[in-house]
Amino acid sequence: EDKVVQSPLSLVVHEGDTVTLNCSYEVTNFRSLLWYKQEKKAPTFLFMLTSSGIEKKSGRLSSILDKKELSSILNITATQTGDSAIYLCAVEAGGSARQLTFGSGTQLTVLP
Amino acid sequence: DTGVSQDPRHKITKRGQNVTFRCDPISEHNRLYWYRQTLGQGPEFLTYFQNEAQLEKSRLLSDRFSAERPKGSFSTLEIQRTEQGDSAMYLCASSFRRDTEAFFGQGTRLTVV
Repeated sequence: EDKVVQSPLSLVVHEGDTVTLNCSYEVTNFRSLLWYKQEKKAPTFLFMLTSSGIEKKSGRLSSILDKKELSSILNITATQTGDSAIYLCAVEAGGSARQLTFGSGTQLTVLP
Repeated sequence: DTGVSQDPRHKITKRGQNVTFRCDPISEHNRLYWYRQTLGQGPEFLTYFQNEAQLEKSRLLSDRFSAERPKGSFSTLEIQRTEQGDSAMYLCASSFRRDTEAFFGQGTRLTVV
């Protein structure tokens, strides 16, 4: 059974801090790893990492995929209160559906 | 708004009643997914459509659950004889191709009392 584990489960930091969120996975026939940000409602897409694109960056957010270690990290630098959210890691494995297997998420709280 | 749209946003129902949710995906997306999310957990896959064909169903999708996508556009998810354990956020997502990201709707929060 495919499995995605995120750590830490929750994290409280102050504005300006840098955070690193972790995601490890065990899946059959890995295709891609995705990071989503979830505030109160829908998960919103951040990054997709594949064998051909193992590092992505957008503004203060960046992510790296380590296929050897079966893991990924999401870095957020100079955090802001608006970064407070649940960050979800999902892995897409083989099969016709290409459905996502999600981790439980990391609850990030950024204090002013 | 051209994103994924779900209706209703909230539904409170009594145990034993039937409920139906609707999802309108992004117009050019032919792949549509239903997920269920409970508090403190990530979304769990329920079912997948490619155009109008339902190609995969999770074992989480009991016989009380049925989903349709009659014309390959919008989709409905029906839960019959609801139970308190069905209380969750039901999320719909769509994508364009196999190698592109899925975009999620705002979800329908179901509370069974």
